[in-house]
Amino acid sequence: ETVMTQSPVTLSVSPGERATLSCRASQSVTSNLAWYQQKPGQAPRLLIYGASIRATGIPARFSGSGSGTEFTLTISSLQSEDFAVYYCQQYNNWPRTFGQGTKVEIK
Amino acid sequence: EVQLEQSGAEVKKPGESLKISCKGSGYTFTNYWIGWVRQMPAKGLEWMGIVYPGDSDTRYSPSFQGQVTISVDKSISTAYLQWSSLKASDTAVYYCARHGDSSGSFANWGQGTLVTVSS
Repeated sequence: ETVMTQSPVTLSVSPGERATLSCRASQSVTSNLAWYQQKPGQAPRLLIYGASIRATGIPARFSGSGSGTEFTLTISSLQSEDFAVYYCQQYNNWPRTFGQGTKVEIK
Repeated sequence: EVQLEQSGAEVKKPGESLKISCKGSGYTFTNYWIGWVRQMPAKGLEWMGIVYPGDSDTRYSPSFQGQVTISVDKSISTAYLQWSSLKASDTAVYYCARHGDSSGSFANWGQGTLVTVSS
């Protein structure tokens, strides 16, 4: 099984600042990596797929990069609605797996 | 508009059986994989398994293989997740989700079904 490890577990950021979230795979997932945002009481929402492609309707302040085993989600200027939990997921290997999540909180 | 409508919350006792559903609309149901994701209370997302409605090809995570059954009835555009004997540790929110157009990521999600198992 491909283990996805996200860091940090919690990220404290002030509104308007940049946030950088990391996701590492225990084996290569090529570019088959997605990022999701989840707010309390809501279903997750797809932000990024193919490691760097924004999903429909996702603002340009969200960007993804990386390939192989190292990936990054960057939020260029945090807005109030961006404080949430973020998950990465690989869909290259079976079974598909999620990271444990990074909580982005207000500093 | 793509929509996934899940069945309502359930309260069950240990040992009981359960089948929850996920009805797809707004797209050709048979053309997209549908998966199930577990979220235990205050925990992260866990990928359980996935089914392709076109031919019922089903894949499970080893963590869930033998513990649940994923199925589909394409005549009514509905996917299912079922248990034959629930445990307290099955208490969680279960989401169904659909693959995107050219990706194995989950582009569309249901609203979630809360399953509570308690004696």
